[in-house]
Amino acid sequence: DAGVTQSPTHLIKTRGQQVTLRCSPKSGHDTVSWYQQALGQGPQFIFQYYEEEERQRGNFPDRFSGHQFPNYSSELNVNALLLGDSALYLCASKLRGLAGSDTQYFGPGTRLTVL
Amino acid sequence: QKEVEQDPGPLSVPEGAIVSLNCTYSNSAFQYFMWYRQYSRKGPELLMYTYSSGNKEDGRFTAQVDKSSKYISLFIRDSQPSDSATYLCAMLRSDYGQNFVFGPGTRLSVLP
Repeated sequence: DAGVTQSPTHLIKTRGQQVTLRCSPKSGHDTVSWYQQALGQGPQFIFQYYEEEERQRGNFPDRFSGHQFPNYSSELNVNALLLGDSALYLCASKLRGLAGSDTQYFGPGTRLTVL
Repeated sequence: QKEVEQDPGPLSVPEGAIVSLNCTYSNSAFQYFMWYRQYSRKGPELLMYTYSSGNKEDGRFTAQVDKSSKYISLFIRDSQPSDSATYLCAMLRSDYGQNFVFGPGTRLSVLP
């Protein structure tokens, strides 16, 4: 049973560029959340998707947007990249409606470096 | 003041030691408490999950919650070199919520 997968593993971009990160949830999961983890910090919640719509959002600007596809996979898009966007981007998945915070699983992350 | 505070370490202990990791929080609305382990260049892995004050034990790990003091702890007994990782505490207001609030993490090194 494949867990949460993310691609690419690493990415290098320059300021002002746009980037798209991808996530496939664990088999059977329909809800995807994205987190940003700066070096030496804990993950910060960006947003959550289920039924192909954004359902909750953290304190991130509109430059951060997302999409969820009918197969539950998801993309995170970041426009007009800033140096401060350099971080590990984590995807987490769970089955909506299932209580218990032990049901959320994280992927290995995509390390984004903005030069 | 950050919602969740955690000593970043690094913390170095000899193999076999008892490790104590701690977090404090300011928001009394937090009801659910988790501890995650994160190895270098990997995603966080859930270790412990609890929602009530008191202790919860799982093998070598014990999670302790004191809601009156807004203080949570993770104890690791008989620590092993394989326990070397960053330990993150996380909190939720609602068990159905997704807006986990994480501490900054404590780096732990267990020396053989």
